[in-house]
Amino acid sequence: KAGVTQTPRYLIKTRGQQVTLSCSPISGHRSVSWYQQTPGQGLQFLFEYFSETQRNKGNFPGRFSGRQFSNSRSEMNVSTLELGDSALYLCASSLGGTSGQETQYFGPGTRLLVL
Amino acid sequence: DQQVKQNSPSLSVQEGRISILNCDYTNSMFDYFLWYKKYPAEGPTFLISISSIKDKNEDGRFTVFLNKSAKHLSLHIVPSQPGDSAVYFCAAEKGGGNKLTFGTGTQLKVEL
Repeated sequence: KAGVTQTPRYLIKTRGQQVTLSCSPISGHRSVSWYQQTPGQGLQFLFEYFSETQRNKGNFPGRFSGRQFSNSRSEMNVSTLELGDSALYLCASSLGGTSGQETQYFGPGTRLLVL
Repeated sequence: DQQVKQNSPSLSVQEGRISILNCDYTNSMFDYFLWYKKYPAEGPTFLISISSIKDKNEDGRFTVFLNKSAKHLSLHIVPSQPGDSAVYFCAAEKGGGNKLTFGTGTQLKVEL
């Protein structure tokens, strides 16, 4: 079974621009979560999507948004990029049950550099 | 507010010996704990997990211990191998939400 895939792997943008990152979950997984990793803040939860609806949200500004499609693929958008948005953005998928205690499997990440 | 803490930023162990990585948490609502291994510029790789109703879970060379009263968990790797050298993150989840809270990571180096 193929793992979680993310595109693109690397991206360079300038301040003020916007960016869209894509994630394809493991086949059969319906939950997709996004995380940001930076040297200063570590790994932080952005949001989770299930059945095309945002189910959980972290403490990030509204410039960070996402969506999920009917095939469970997800996109994440960051508008008005700031230098501090430079990070590794990770997508994780899981089956998506409501009882929790599910393992999330991560993709390789998208490295975003904002100049 | 760091709810999941890994107080040792690095650990060096000889090949064949036991590696013990520690993790403390403050939120008593966490009910599921996971360990991930990560190489630079790659996504975390799942290693092992444990539910709060258990105190031990074992998978091959990896064992995770959970002490709920102390809000402490540990990952034991026996025997340690050079390929185990990576950053190890513990993560916690509460109440059915797919929202992981990660620790800051411990860099493990297994030396020959």
